[in-house]
Amino acid sequence: AQTVTQSQPEMSVQEAETVTLSCTYDTSENNYYLFWYKQPPSRQMILVIRQEAYKQQNATENRFSVNFQKAAKSFSLKISDSQLGDTAMYFCAFMEADSNYQLIWGAGTKLIIKP
Amino acid sequence: ETGVTQTPRHLVMGMTNKKSLKCEQHLGHNAMYWYKQSAKKPLELMFVYNFKEQTENNSVPSRFSPECPNSSHLFLHLHTLQPEDSALYLCASSQDGNIQYFGAGTRLSVL
Repeated sequence: AQTVTQSQPEMSVQEAETVTLSCTYDTSENNYYLFWYKQPPSRQMILVIRQEAYKQQNATENRFSVNFQKAAKSFSLKISDSQLGDTAMYFCAFMEADSNYQLIWGAGTKLIIKP
Repeated sequence: ETGVTQTPRHLVMGMTNKKSLKCEQHLGHNAMYWYKQSAKKPLELMFVYNFKEQTENNSVPSRFSPECPNSSHLFLHLHTLQPEDSALYLCASSQDGNIQYFGAGTRLSVL
């Protein structure tokens, strides 16, 4: 069975610093998708970034980028120039391509950006 | 505004009550989902509907009863809940199962 592990329950950094959140997953499949979602105190789960496993190039969205290491089954999220509004829970999620739409979620990392 | 609206935002109910959670999506998606989010645990997928047909039921107790009258609306009917059912219930929608868009959830407390 697929699993997703986020080994950092909580992290805090100063505003403007760079922070990396780790995520590892376990699967025997070759075709899948990986996601990072953000959940601020407002509770709205928001997609941060998405990666297709067949793409070697790491996905990037403005200040957010990933380091996708397929062989190591690692999918870390880097936030550059962190802002107070980045304070949130961050969840890593995995979806097998033929999974009937089922996302497998990690337990989350609480990220606090300090002024 | 993400296009997925959940009501109510908060709900307190007794163990013998019957209540319903509502979700509406304005994104034209074909799939809708119910999740349960408990503290310090991964999100638990409860139900998946694709074109109004239930495609997944992940061993959810019968005291939770979903209803999907059309592709835009999803309900979760609650009956005879237990205190351990207290959680945040999230609704999501997607087109063809890829990127899921979420509502803000209903915070449920069972007394």
